[in-house]
Amino acid sequence: DTAVSQTPKYLVTQMGNDKSIKCEQNLGHDTMYWYKQDSKKFLKIMFSYNNKELIINETVPNRFSPKSPDKAHLNLHINSLELGDSAVYFCASSSTRNTEAFFGQGTRLTVV
Amino acid sequence: GIQVEQSPPDLILQEGANSTLRCNFSDSVNNLQWFHQNPWGQLINLFYIPSGTKQNGRLSATTVATERYSLLYISSSQTTDSGVYFCAVEDRGGSNYKLTFGKGTLLTVNP
Repeated sequence: DTAVSQTPKYLVTQMGNDKSIKCEQNLGHDTMYWYKQDSKKFLKIMFSYNNKELIINETVPNRFSPKSPDKAHLNLHINSLELGDSAVYFCASSSTRNTEAFFGQGTRLTVV
Repeated sequence: GIQVEQSPPDLILQEGANSTLRCNFSDSVNNLQWFHQNPWGQLINLFYIPSGTKQNGRLSATTVATERYSLLYISSSQTTDSGVYFCAVEDRGGSNYKLTFGKGTLLTVNP
């Protein structure tokens, strides 16, 4: 019973391709996030959604488009992948009542 | 935006030793969390501790919100404690919808 689950866990793709990462949470949370972890392990917010509404877009290139079909899901679509997009992408969720965030297992994206 | 600094950046211990990791932050916070990223890359919640003291087994944490720091104590360390420890905060004055992470402390516990 994974609380926050992402698929796929690993993604290897060529430059220029379009790919998606899916995230689902079963915690009943109303806020979901995408974070990016770079090669130096630094974690930085990309997007946050509250009740399916985009709240934060942290100067992410518009090749990255998040989509929240409902409060339990937040998917990340990436167009025209570049070498610099290689990183680990983490989905997370929290509740506005108790702001403790829980993270998925991460998706390691490698662009070749 | 809020700044988060963790120290030390690296720490090497022998199994059984104790350690203290520190997190300083530059503004008032709504939320402070400690995470352990294990060698498989999973981010594991250790503590949700915007203020006060909590204990969970060999680990404990204290946040002194008025002085803008938090400490994570690891006692009787084990090799499975190895990994990166992150402190992350959500600042009270800014957006309530993001955690700002420190750069982490890389802990290596040798047998």
